[in-house]
Amino acid sequence: NAGVMQNPRHLVRRRGQEARLRCSPMKGHSHVYWYRQLPEEGLKFMVYLQKENIIDESGMPKERFSAEFPKEGPSILRIQQVVRGDSAAYFCASSPSWDSYEQYFGPGTRLTVT
Amino acid sequence: GENVEQHPSTLSVQEGDSAVIKCTYSDSASNYFPWYKQELGKRPQLIIDIRSNVGEKKDQRIAVTLNKTAKHFSLHITETQPEDSAVYFCAAPSGGSYIPTFGRGTSLIVHP
Repeated sequence: NAGVMQNPRHLVRRRGQEARLRCSPMKGHSHVYWYRQLPEEGLKFMVYLQKENIIDESGMPKERFSAEFPKEGPSILRIQQVVRGDSAAYFCASSPSWDSYEQYFGPGTRLTVT
Repeated sequence: GENVEQHPSTLSVQEGDSAVIKCTYSDSASNYFPWYKQELGKRPQLIIDIRSNVGEKKDQRIAVTLNKTAKHFSLHITETQPEDSAVYFCAAPSGGSYIPTFGRGTSLIVHP
């Protein structure tokens, strides 16, 4: 039973480019959470999605950031026109249901903006 | 929303000593308190959790205690080993939400 998968594991982008981060939840999980972790800081919630629905995006910046979780395929976190401050580790976690506290994390994508 | 404070930010111990990390939270309706361990460059992994209907939970060398009145919970690691070296995060969801707010983390260093 494969765990949460994220790719790419490392991503380097120049300022102004777009970054696309992908997350495949655990088998049987249909709830995905995205978090950002800055160096030596905790995990900050960004967005919570179910298949084809954004449930809570209260932690996501209003501009340049978007997320989706289509009916088929992985969840995608998209960052347009990246800036140096976007450099961070981005983790996704999946959960089996809306009322479960259990969250299983992926290995993360480390984004570096040069 | 929930506010989670975690202390200390760094903890250095000798192998075999005990380590204690404390967290406080603000939302009295919170009822689930997990602890995660994150090794360098790796994903956070749940190591132990506690729900508000119990005051203590143990799993081998790891224990978590909860004081709902004072709104704080602690992670206790006994007989520490070098492989316990990692960053530990506490978390608590806001009442009515399943989305956790994380503490800033404690870097535990166990010297052999």
